[in-house]
Formats: sequence, structure tokens, C-alpha cells
Amino acid sequence: EDQVTQSPEALRLQEGESSSLNCSYTVSGLRGLFWYRQDPGKGPEFLFTLYSAGEEKEKERLKATLTKKESFLHITAPKPEDSATYLCAVPPDAGGSGYALNFGKGTSLLVTP
Amino acid sequence: IAGITQAPTSQILAAGRRMTLRCTQDMRHNAMYWYRQDLGLGLRLIHYSNTAGTTGKGEVPDGYSVSRANTDDFPLTLASAVPSQTSVYFCASSQAAGGGYTFGSGTRLTVV
Repeated sequence: EDQVTQSPEALRLQEGESSSLNCSYTVSGLRGLFWYRQDPGKGPEFLFTLYSAGEEKEKERLKATLTKKESFLHITAPKPEDSATYLCAVPPDAGGSGYALNFGKGTSLLVTP
Repeated sequence: IAGITQAPTSQILAAGRRMTLRCTQDMRHNAMYWYRQDLGLGLRLIHYSNTAGTTGKGEVPDGYSVSRANTDDFPLTLASAVPSQTSVYFCASSQAAGGGYTFGSGTRLTVV
């Protein structure tokens, strides 16, 4: 069973058109929810960590929020340079793998001029 | 520039050959990880190491082995490569106290 589900799989926006990406998770004791950005041909780049429901983090045009069952990545007035795949990840329920993360399959965002 | 170095950047490998993917970090992070990324499947954990001298199996460990002789290096070995191991491999590290991973730039491996 997937512990992290991201939607939509792909999203196309016009420059300036705000939207949100969704990440739902099924782990029982959340030990952090992580957002990453991945550009083609590169490794993922860390964006945010959220630990408790109600928490919010912001970086430029991005704002991440967290509830008890899901997280949203809000993109306000996006620019073409925001085009990338956005990944969400959580530590698994079992603590055996230490700090390893389970990743969702990502949302591929394309922002057109 | 602090970070993770992976080598090689890409490789074409004959099936049955042995291959070691190298990963070195200069941030003195305790934990290190190997993931593979495949279209439609996302990032999947192969092996991890919470600290030097210890390793553990992830979601897809079969056909792979790792070692962690020191803090900085975490090589991934394919003992006898098979075509299903064609993938992009990412090494990552993190501080033991949590926080975000730092990823390398990846190794694109094709097994023919």
C-alpha cells in the first residue's frame, strides 16, 4: 500500500495562474513531511519540512501546508522557472530504516509564458 | 561546494558484469541512502546507512550490496547486473536529527 499519494500527476499552468498540488499520506505517527523539487536530469532539491498539523512554510512563490491527512503545496503567480517535478515524502511507519523516506511519484508542473 | 559527488555520471553495462557506483559526501552527515528512480515508479529505497559501520535494506535491495567503512563514502555494488537494473541511481545524505536530504546528481545506468 502506497504511503504517499500525490495528485495530480501532471499540471499545466499559465504564468500567473495560481494552483495547489496535493500530497496525502497514510502513516499513523507522522515524523515529518518533506517537499522536494526535481529538475530534469538532476537530483531532487529539498524545499520544506512540516511536522505538525497547521504548520506552514513559505519560500518565494511556494507555500506548504499540513493537515492530519495531507499536505498542499500552493504555488502563487507561478513563473516558467517554477516548472519541475515536485515530490512529497514521509518516513515510513516502521522505524527500522532510520531516517529513510518514502516518496510519492510526484507532480510534474509545467508553467507556460 | 559542499554536497554529494556521484560517479560515474552515466554507464552502459553488459549483463552479468559487476559494477560499483560511487558516492562521496563532504558534509559529515551521519545517514546515507541509495535510491533508484524509474518512470512511473518514483524513487525507491535500495539500501541505507544510519551511521558509519551500519547498513540496512530498503524496499528493493535484491541484487545490490553496500558498505559504509567511513562517514563520507557509501558505494553501491551490483554483483551481476541484469537489464531490470537499468535505472537512474541517486545517492543522498541527511543529518541524524532529520531535516532534508541532500541528493547527488545521479548515475544513469543502462544494462544491456
